[in-house]
Amino acid sequence: GQNIDQPTEMTATEGAIVQINCTYQTSGFNGLFWYQQHAGEAPTFLSYNVLDGLEEKGRFSSFLSRSKGYSYLLLKELQMKDSASYLCAVMDSNYQLIWGAGTKLIIKP
Amino acid sequence: TAGITQAPTSQILAAGRSMTLRCTQDMRHNAMYWYRQDLGLGLRLIHYSNTAGTTGKGEVPDGYSVSRANTDDFPLTLASAVPSQTSVYFCASSEGTDTQYFGPGTRLTVL
Repeated sequence: GQNIDQPTEMTATEGAIVQINCTYQTSGFNGLFWYQQHAGEAPTFLSYNVLDGLEEKGRFSSFLSRSKGYSYLLLKELQMKDSASYLCAVMDSNYQLIWGAGTKLIIKP
Repeated sequence: TAGITQAPTSQILAAGRSMTLRCTQDMRHNAMYWYRQDLGLGLRLIHYSNTAGTTGKGEVPDGYSVSRANTDDFPLTLASAVPSQTSVYFCASSEGTDTQYFGPGTRLTVL
């Protein structure tokens, strides 16, 4: 079966750095997405990786290793507004997104 | 632009009743999707449409139907609601297989 694993919850301190990991086993791979979802709101797109390596976008970076079935989202200079759930999703061979359950990130002052 | 709108924002529905959740996008995206999101689970695809006039079944299609009469609208119908359909429903759209953009969601409670 297809599976996306990410930690359920993480806690970090304002101003610090946090890394949220995602491992996947899917039928085929056509890219990996990270979304941010604040409580009670819709998911919003953060990043997309289809080739191995690091993609940097401001305070957020996303890394992919296809051979290891592994990705991480790196958030730097954490702000209180970064408190949210972070969803990892893989596009499979049918070009459908398979979603992880999300990682709830709690930022403490 | 508004992007994607969904209606209603929330609804309480008696079991056995029917209901249509509305979704409209103004981005002229060809693909649209319906997901449900339940606590502790990832988003699960209910139905999708790659282009106007076509629809397909996702991971959890039972109890739901959709239509895609035009590019902008993609309604989701529950013919006879059951309590297990209590969930938050998100509509999304994309240009082909590119990034999916989500509507604000509909919170549905079936009693």
